[in-house]
Amino acid sequence: AQTVTQSQPEMSVQEAETVTLSCTYDTSESDYYLFWYKQPPSRQMILVIRQEAYKQQNATENRFSVNFQKAAKSFSLKISDSQLGDAAMYFCAYRRKEGDNYGQNFVFGPGTRLSVLP
Amino acid sequence: DVKVTQSSRYLVKRTGEKVFLECVQDMDHENMFWYRQDPGLGLRLIYFSYDVKMKEKGDIPEGYSVSREKKERFSLILESASTNQTSMYLCASSLRTGQTQYFGPGTRLLVL
Repeated sequence: AQTVTQSQPEMSVQEAETVTLSCTYDTSESDYYLFWYKQPPSRQMILVIRQEAYKQQNATENRFSVNFQKAAKSFSLKISDSQLGDAAMYFCAYRRKEGDNYGQNFVFGPGTRLSVLP
Repeated sequence: DVKVTQSSRYLVKRTGEKVFLECVQDMDHENMFWYRQDPGLGLRLIYFSYDVKMKEKGDIPEGYSVSREKKERFSLILESASTNQTSMYLCASSLRTGQTQYFGPGTRLLVL
C-alpha cells in the first residue's frame, strides 16, 4: 500500500523568507499524481499545487513550487516570499492514476503546520 | 468555483446518539468523500461514493454509514456516537474518479 510521510510536524518561517516543506512517499507504481493541499485556520482545505509523475518539469504556481525527485520518491514544496496568509496546515497527498478502488487512490500525509512570523 | 458545504461547523453530541453530517456540492461532481482528520494522522477515508446510491468503504468505515440519495448530497451517519468518534470531519468531491478533490469547511464533532 502507498504511504505518504511528512517528517516535519511543525515549521516556522519569517515573513518574506523562503521555506521548504518535505514529503516522501512509497509506491511501486510508475505513474501517479502528487498534490499539496493547504488548510488555513478557517479549515477549508484548498489545492495548492499538483504534479504528474510522468512530467519531469517541476510544477509551479506563483510563489509555490515543488521539487519532484521521482527516483528518491520525494516531493517537497517551496514557498517563496512567505506571507502571513501562508500560515496553515499543509498536506501532501498521493493519488494512483488507475485502480479498481477509486476512493482509496488518495493517500494523505499527516500534515505540517507552518507558522509565519512577522 | 466549486463549492462544497457542510451542514454544521461545530457539533456536540452525547454517547449513543445518532448523528447526521451532511455535505452538499454544487458542481455536479460524480464522486464524494468523507474523511476524518485527527492530529498526527492526516486524513483518513471513511466512505466514498462514485454515483447516486453507490458507496464504497474507505479505510476506517467501522461505526459509520453513508447515504447518497441525490447526486449533490452525501450524508455521513454515526448510528450510535462514541467518544472515539470525536474528530474533525471533512467532506470532499471530485468531478470524476481520481481527479482533484475539493473540500468543505469541515465539521468539528465532540462526543461527550
